[in-house]
Amino acid sequence: NAGVMQNPRHLVRRRGQEARLRCSPMKGHSHVYWYRQLPEEGLKFMVYLQKENIIDESGMPKERFSAEFPKEGPSILRIQQVVRGDSAAYFCASSPLRTGGAGNEQFFGPGTRLTVL
Amino acid sequence: RKEVEQDPGPFNVPEGATVAFNCTYSNSASQSFFWYRQDCRKEPKLLMSVYSSGNEDGRFTAQLNRASQYISLLIRDSKLSDSATYLCVVNGRGADGLTFGKGTHLIIQP
Repeated sequence: NAGVMQNPRHLVRRRGQEARLRCSPMKGHSHVYWYRQLPEEGLKFMVYLQKENIIDESGMPKERFSAEFPKEGPSILRIQQVVRGDSAAYFCASSPLRTGGAGNEQFFGPGTRLTVL
Repeated sequence: RKEVEQDPGPFNVPEGATVAFNCTYSNSASQSFFWYRQDCRKEPKLLMSVYSSGNEDGRFTAQLNRASQYISLLIRDSKLSDSATYLCVVNGRGADGLTFGKGTHLIIQP
């Protein structure tokens, strides 16, 4: 059973370009979470999605960031017009049930390291 | 007050020793608690969930004190492979995202 998959593992963008980060959850998991880890900081929750629905985006920056989890295919975290402050590791996690309900664990992918030049 | 607070360390501990660290959390409505481990530049991996009655998994013991709002992790007979950053993680009631501490850096020395 493959774990959570993320690609690309490393992404370099110039200021003003767009970054697309992809996440495929573990088989059988329909709940996807995105986190950002800035250098020397802890992980910060960004958004929680189920298939075709954004459930909780309370941690998403108001501008330039968007996420989706289509019926078919991976979840996508999209950052438009990237700035240097967006440089970070972006981790995706998945769970078989909704975490907020029953202490259900989340399993993390290897992350995408975004560098903005 | 930070939502989840941990001593960043580093804790330098000789191989075979016992080491313990704590974390505190600010949201009294938190309902789920975990310890994750993160190796340098890699993803967090679940070490263990923490239950109110305390729980043990091999050399690792976790305790939860709801009244004082702190969580502890004890590692016995430490191994070189235990060197990592240990993340205290809390899930608030009704919240979907996990709240992470910045982590405690542990170095096991031969």
